[in-house]
Amino acid sequence: AQSVTQLDSHVSVSEGTPVLLRCNYSSSYSPSLFWYVQHPNKGLQLLLKYTSAATLVKGINGFEAEFKKSETSFHLTKPSAHMSDAAEYFCVVSDRNDYKLSFGAGTTVTVRA
Amino acid sequence: SQTIHQWPATLVQPVGSPLSLECTVEGTSNPNLYWYRQAAGRGLQLLFYSVGIGQISSEVPQNLSASRPQDRQFILSSKKLLLSDSGFYLCAWSVIISSYNEQFFGPGTRLTVL
Repeated sequence: AQSVTQLDSHVSVSEGTPVLLRCNYSSSYSPSLFWYVQHPNKGLQLLLKYTSAATLVKGINGFEAEFKKSETSFHLTKPSAHMSDAAEYFCVVSDRNDYKLSFGAGTTVTVRA
Repeated sequence: SQTIHQWPATLVQPVGSPLSLECTVEGTSNPNLYWYRQAAGRGLQLLFYSVGIGQISSEVPQNLSASRPQDRQFILSSKKLLLSDSGFYLCAWSVIISSYNEQFFGPGTRLTVL
């Protein structure tokens, strides 16, 4: 069985400062890991994915995440937050060859001017 | 390129009325298709998924049903809506032969049951 824990339900940062969203996962097999972003009343957009290639994954809009197997973590970071980064972020895990995704509860990011 | 459409975008329905939400995918063949519900302040709950025409798996017993009449069409239905059916409904697709199961989401339908 697979599961995801997002350690922060809400993160507030000032514009131009770093953003860190924490995610721990549990998976029986070698997992695929994803970060999705959702702006209000919109669908989910894929930010980045880990699929057993490089452990440091770069995504869109300046986001990146590092896969750490020993810590079962996949934290999302961005060096400088922008007002447009205000949204909800979901960490997601999938066991290989499994049709289903397991979603974290989400982290809401607010960006202060 | 592939695109996914959902309609309607918003819907307000009385309790006890029927429901039909439609999802269509363009630019790919034989996709896996999924219906999710996102209730206020909660994460995503997988409702149904389909690996082919007429093949529907239900994840949670409930007041809803799904059908896949065509390869790239996925419909979510209810005969009688409940207040608890309110939420944001998302359709998604993935490539059936992919081992990574990256899913692509539609824009969603906001359903309010009064």
